[in-house]
Amino acid sequence: GNSVTQMEGPVTLSEEAFLTINCTYTATGYPSLFWYVQYPGEGLQLLLKATKADDKGSNKGFEATYRKETTSFHLEKGSVQVSDSAVYFCALSPLAAGNNRKLIWGLGTSLAVNP
Amino acid sequence: AAGVIQSPRHLIKEKRETATLKCYPIPRHDTVYWYQQGPGQDPQFLISFYEKMQSDKGSIPDRFSAQQFSDYHSELNMSSLELGDSALYFCASSPRTGKDTQYFGPGTRLTVL
Repeated sequence: GNSVTQMEGPVTLSEEAFLTINCTYTATGYPSLFWYVQYPGEGLQLLLKATKADDKGSNKGFEATYRKETTSFHLEKGSVQVSDSAVYFCALSPLAAGNNRKLIWGLGTSLAVNP
Repeated sequence: AAGVIQSPRHLIKEKRETATLKCYPIPRHDTVYWYQQGPGQDPQFLISFYEKMQSDKGSIPDRFSAQQFSDYHSELNMSSLELGDSALYFCASSPRTGKDTQYFGPGTRLTVL
C-alpha cells in the first residue's frame, strides 16, 4: 500500500542553520509528492510539490527533489528563520484513475528555530 | 486569490449534540475533501466528493454524514457527538485540472465538552 515516513521531531535549530527533514515513501508508479506546513494555531498550507521524478519543488527558500531511485522527497532550507517554526508534513497523492486523490500523510515533523 | 472558506472557525458542543461544519471550495474547484486532525496528529481522511457525488470514503464514523451541494459547497454533519470527536476539521478542494493538489481551508476547531 501507499505510505509516507518522515523523520521524527522535534527538530530544534538556531537561526540561519541548515535544515533537512527526511521523507521517504512507498507507492506504486509515480505519485505526486507534497510538503505542507502548519504554523501554530493555523491551517495546512501547501509549501511545495513535485509531480514526477527529478522534479524540484521550491518555495520561500525551501526545496525538495523527487528522487524515484531512493523513493525520497527530503525538505531542505539553507538558512532557517524563527518564522519557519512550524510543523511540516510530507504527503503523497497516489497515481489513481478518476477522482480519488486522498492524500497519504506522514506524521509531521515539528521544527523550532531559536534566535 | 480566493481560498477555501470554512465555517464556523470554532465550535463548542456538549456530548450527544449535533454539529454542522461548512466548506466553500475555491471557485471552479469541483472536488472537496474532509479531514480530521487530532492534537499532535497527522490529518485523517474522512470523505470526498466530486461533482456532488461521494468519490471516496475513509475513516468517517457512521454518526457523521456529508454532502456536496449544487454550488459545490459541502457540509459535514456530525451527530451524537463524543468527547473523542474534539479535533480540527479541515476541508480541502482541488481543481478540475491538477487534481492531485489539494488546497486547505483554515479548519474548524470542534470542542466537545
